[in-house]
Amino acid sequence: NAGVTQTPKFQVLKTGQSMTLQCAQDMNHEYMSWYRQDPGMGLRLIHYSVGAGITDQGEVPNGYNVSRSTTEDFPLRLLSAAPSQTSVYFCASTPGTGVGNTIYFGEGSWLTVV
Amino acid sequence: GNSVTQMEGPVTLSEEAFLTINCTYTATGYPSLFWYVQYPGEGLQLLLKATKADDKGSNKGFEATYRKETTSFHLEKGSVQVSDSAVYFCALKKSGGSNYKLTFGKGTLLTVNP
Repeated sequence: NAGVTQTPKFQVLKTGQSMTLQCAQDMNHEYMSWYRQDPGMGLRLIHYSVGAGITDQGEVPNGYNVSRSTTEDFPLRLLSAAPSQTSVYFCASTPGTGVGNTIYFGEGSWLTVV
Repeated sequence: GNSVTQMEGPVTLSEEAFLTINCTYTATGYPSLFWYVQYPGEGLQLLLKATKADDKGSNKGFEATYRKETTSFHLEKGSVQVSDSAVYFCALKKSGGSNYKLTFGKGTLLTVNP
């Protein structure tokens, strides 16, 4: 029962470095998304995808890129890391837009930018 | 737009005390409502959900009832345990359209002391 798998779990970056947070799901879900969690702000949507080859911006997309070449994978790229991107990142997936469909989350990636 | 407001924390209780975490929402139509829990150092887990008015979600002794008349989804537990210490997030998924995205409250930190 892998569900939604994120790697790495912890990462420290220097300002200006680039990196990719990996996300994979094995449930054949069409919809995937990335959220960031900051103290006192809950979770905010960064980018989302409604299927392979289709992505769109969420609430806080600046500084991040995504692509969706397969149904399973949805990597999040930080092109030039900034201290403001220090956060916990969660990948999520859901099978569709049905009212009762649950959104499943990965275990999170703790990123520190120094 | 959609929004979720939940009570500010932190909340500190003694073991076996009664817990209420208030959550109210603003949304058009008939959203689905969720409570997620994040234990220390872990990712988000779905605790319970309700998809229509007057539905009651329940899990692990926690309950929440979808009240459309008061636009609320308060989380309750009759007798908390130390192991319930976590951050609790109320969230909604709107009906129709892009209902594969969640709007979160800011989270409420619960600490239960023995």
